[in-house]
Amino acid sequence: DAEITQSPRHKITETGRQVTLACHQTWNHNNMFWYRQDLGHGLRLIHYSYGVQDTNKGEVSDGYSVSRSNTEDLPLTLESAASSQTSVYFCASIRVYGPRISTGELFFGEGSRLTVL
Amino acid sequence: GESVGLHLPTLSVQEGDNSIINCAYSNSASDYFIWYKQESGKGPQFIIDIRSNMDKRQGQRVTVLLNKTVKHLSLQIAATQPGDSAVYFCAETPNYGGSQGNLIFGKGTKLSVKP
Repeated sequence: DAEITQSPRHKITETGRQVTLACHQTWNHNNMFWYRQDLGHGLRLIHYSYGVQDTNKGEVSDGYSVSRSNTEDLPLTLESAASSQTSVYFCASIRVYGPRISTGELFFGEGSRLTVL
Repeated sequence: GESVGLHLPTLSVQEGDNSIINCAYSNSASDYFIWYKQESGKGPQFIIDIRSNMDKRQGQRVTVLLNKTVKHLSLQIAATQPGDSAVYFCAETPNYGGSQGNLIFGKGTKLSVKP
C-alpha cells in the first residue's frame, strides 16, 4: 500500500547540531508539507513544496530548510538546532490535479519527536 | 474549540452520548473547511470536509455544521464511542481551488469518552 513515512521517529540532539528529518511518500503526490505541533499552538506550517525544485516558507520557517530533488522526498533540516525547536514534526502530502485541490485530505506521517538539549 | 495558554480545551462525554466540538475561524475569506482527528501518538486523519456554499454535511456518525455569519464550525459525533477519544482539529483554506492544500489548523479540542 502507498504510504508516507518519517524517520527517525524519535531523536535527541544537542543545541547547535544540524538535524535532518526525512519524509518519504509513495503516492506520487505533488504537494508536501512540514508542520510542527506544540501544545497550545496546534499544527503550524514550517515549509511546503508544490513539486520538484519548488520550496516555500510557511508560518514558522526560521531555522529550518527543505529541499525537493524528487517527488517522493521532502527532508527537513534544522541547520543549528535550538531548544525552541523541541517539538513533534509531521510531514504531509496531498495530490493536486491541476490548479485546484479536489479534497482537503492531507495524508500525514506518524510524526518525528525531536528533543533539543 | 480554541485553546487558551498551554491548555488544550477538553470535552468529556459519556459513551453513547452525542458530542459537539466547536471551532471559530477568523478569516472571512476562507471557503473550505476540514475536520481532522488525531489519536495519541499518530498523525492527524481526515474526517469530513465542507465547502462554504453548504451549511451542513453528513458522514458516517459525523455531521459538520458551518455558520458563515458568525464564522463558526462544529463537528457533531453521534453515539460517541471510546474509539472516538482523540484530539480534533478544524482546518480552513482561504481558497478551495488555489490553496493547493495549504491548510490553516486550529489549536484542537481533546475529546475524552467515559465508558
